[in-house]
Amino acid sequence: GENVEQHPSTLSVQEGDSAVIKCTYSDSASNYFPWYKQELGKGPQLIIDIRSNVGEKKDQRIAVTLNKTAKHFSLHITETQPEDSAVYFCAAANFGNEKLTFGTGTRLTIIP
Amino acid sequence: KAGVTQTPRYLIKTRGQQVTLSCSPISGHRSVSWYQQTPGQGLQFLFEYFSETQRNKGNFPGRFSGRQFSNSRSEMNVSTLELGDSALYLCASRHWGPSYNEQFFGPGTRLTVL
Repeated sequence: GENVEQHPSTLSVQEGDSAVIKCTYSDSASNYFPWYKQELGKGPQLIIDIRSNVGEKKDQRIAVTLNKTAKHFSLHITETQPEDSAVYFCAAANFGNEKLTFGTGTRLTIIP
Repeated sequence: KAGVTQTPRYLIKTRGQQVTLSCSPISGHRSVSWYQQTPGQGLQFLFEYFSETQRNKGNFPGRFSGRQFSNSRSEMNVSTLELGDSALYLCASRHWGPSYNEQFFGPGTRLTVL
């Protein structure tokens, strides 16, 4: 089955700087890659996703890049703000085997 | 539009008991998935239901079961509870279509087994 690895497990960034979280996946058939943000006491919230026919996608301060050859994808957050502090999860899915396989999460702390 | 709702939000049970958790998807969403979240194992897929049929299943023992009703609401049941079943149980809903559609998660049910 699919295996998703996520690094780093914790990340501290000065407010205003950029944060990068990286994930690798094992199943070359995976074609959908979402990123979720989870705040304390809440369920994961989708922040951005990318499909395998696209190499990069951007939404304001958040961007995701996908390298299908290397089987890795990354989340980039620019101009970080205190409200960006949360746990971030990457995931992968393959239409046809439609469960989401999640990475182990990255706890991002923005230092004011 | 209301989000995914889960009830109850918190639950305390003892070993050997059974528990039923409920999930109401976003209006119009006919697919409901369940996930277990623990500090040690992270987020793990339990099962997905669409049109009252289980479409996919994760690697959990048969003590974990679910069902979906005609109005797309779903329940999951855990029988003979073990201490290791203590977790946050998350429900997610999505449109079912020709490509993978984004999942929206509820706030979860925090189950504690004593």
